[in-house]
Amino acid sequence: SQQGEEDPQALSIQEGENATMNCSYKTSINNLQWYRQNSGRGLVHLILIRSNEREKHSGRLRVTLDTSKKSSSLLITASRAADTASYFCATRKNAGNMLTFGGGTRLMVKP
Amino acid sequence: GAVVSQHPSWVICKSGTSVKIECRSLDFQATTMFWYRQFPKQSLMLMATSNEGSKATYEQGVEKDKFLINHASLTLSTLTVTSAHPEDSSFYICSAMTSGGSEQFFGPGTRLTVL
Repeated sequence: SQQGEEDPQALSIQEGENATMNCSYKTSINNLQWYRQNSGRGLVHLILIRSNEREKHSGRLRVTLDTSKKSSSLLITASRAADTASYFCATRKNAGNMLTFGGGTRLMVKP
Repeated sequence: GAVVSQHPSWVICKSGTSVKIECRSLDFQATTMFWYRQFPKQSLMLMATSNEGSKATYEQGVEKDKFLINHASLTLSTLTVTSAHPEDSSFYICSAMTSGGSEQFFGPGTRLTVL
């Protein structure tokens, strides 16, 4: 069953602006991962943050994790039209290998 | 590295027929593979988890007799949609991971359309 909820469901911004997406989850986790999916395509892994980490960077991506609030955020800085895609968070529980996906945020970056 | 392929990338079939989708890990051995279903503008829903050489574990609400999963080798898992109906039309995505691994590697997906 879906555990994560993402906010907003859809986001439209201008090229160059920053995009922030939030993800909340319900149970304790081992790690949280963010994925990107272009329309009709498979998932591309963006970044993984472990439960004992609070912030992680990768290029223009910045992910935060607040385990006390059971939430995470993904920030894309200086967005580009090519960043247009759906972004999903996925959590992995402490036991097992299963990933549970959030509802996703559809990001549109206008040139 | 860590490439997962799916075949076919899309398939159209008539109602009542069976369709087989293959998921292959091309450059690593996948002890565990996962099958997801994704309806338009929705998230991925896990259908089942398969471990090489053993029976798949299905999520609640997924009919194991309708969605047959075979994970016969460390590089191949197949999902067969039996007696497909229009409501089975969806995007099916597999993922694979190694023993002890923390990251799942996703295939490009298979779009199934049942007429």
